[in-house]
Amino acid sequence: KAGVTQTPRYLIKTRGQQVTLSCSPISGHRSVSWYQQTPGQGLQFLFEYFSETQRNKGNFPGRFSGRQFSNSRSEMNVSTLELGDSALYLCASSLVAGRTDHLFNYGYTFGSGTRLTVV
Amino acid sequence: AQSVTQLGSHVSVSEGALVLLRCNYSSSVPPYLFWYVQYPNQGLQLLLKYTSAATLVKGINGFEAEFKKSETSFHLTKPSAHMSDAAEYFCAVSGYGGSQGNLIFGKGTKLSVKP
Repeated sequence: KAGVTQTPRYLIKTRGQQVTLSCSPISGHRSVSWYQQTPGQGLQFLFEYFSETQRNKGNFPGRFSGRQFSNSRSEMNVSTLELGDSALYLCASSLVAGRTDHLFNYGYTFGSGTRLTVV
Repeated sequence: AQSVTQLGSHVSVSEGALVLLRCNYSSSVPPYLFWYVQYPNQGLQLLLKYTSAATLVKGINGFEAEFKKSETSFHLTKPSAHMSDAAEYFCAVSGYGGSQGNLIFGKGTKLSVKP
């Protein structure tokens, strides 16, 4: 079965521009999470979506936003890019069960990531 | 609050030697614990996970980890290292059956395997 698909794989943007990254989860996975990976800060949680609703958000500025569509596909957007936004952005999908306020997560499968370079 | 500490940012072993990567966690709720591996320019691949069932967890590629509540540890081991094991390894924690929706990762340990 197909894994988590992230597009594009590589992206070069200029400071001040905005960017949109896409993530298609594994079929049947309704939870999608995003992480930023940098050499200095490591892996940091950005946000998580379930059933088109943001359930959790990490400690990132409002320039970072995301959304999830009815087919569980997710996008994240970064506006007014800064040099420090250069990173590998990873998406993870998971099979969950239960109600929105009390979910059980069966585990996370990661995509290969989008390498964003801001110049 | 939850946190993960991986002891040793770099570990080097000889091919055929024991691999031991250390992970200690802090969690105010029953934790779910994970080990992931990352090869260069790749995403994260799940090696194994602890979800409050058996304390000794077996994963892929011959890796296993033991959950020790008294020591708040979840160290990753492999009896005999192979050249293909060279990669970066991350320990992660989430709580409440993962319902908190996010993983807290350690800083990672780079494993080198010498021929």
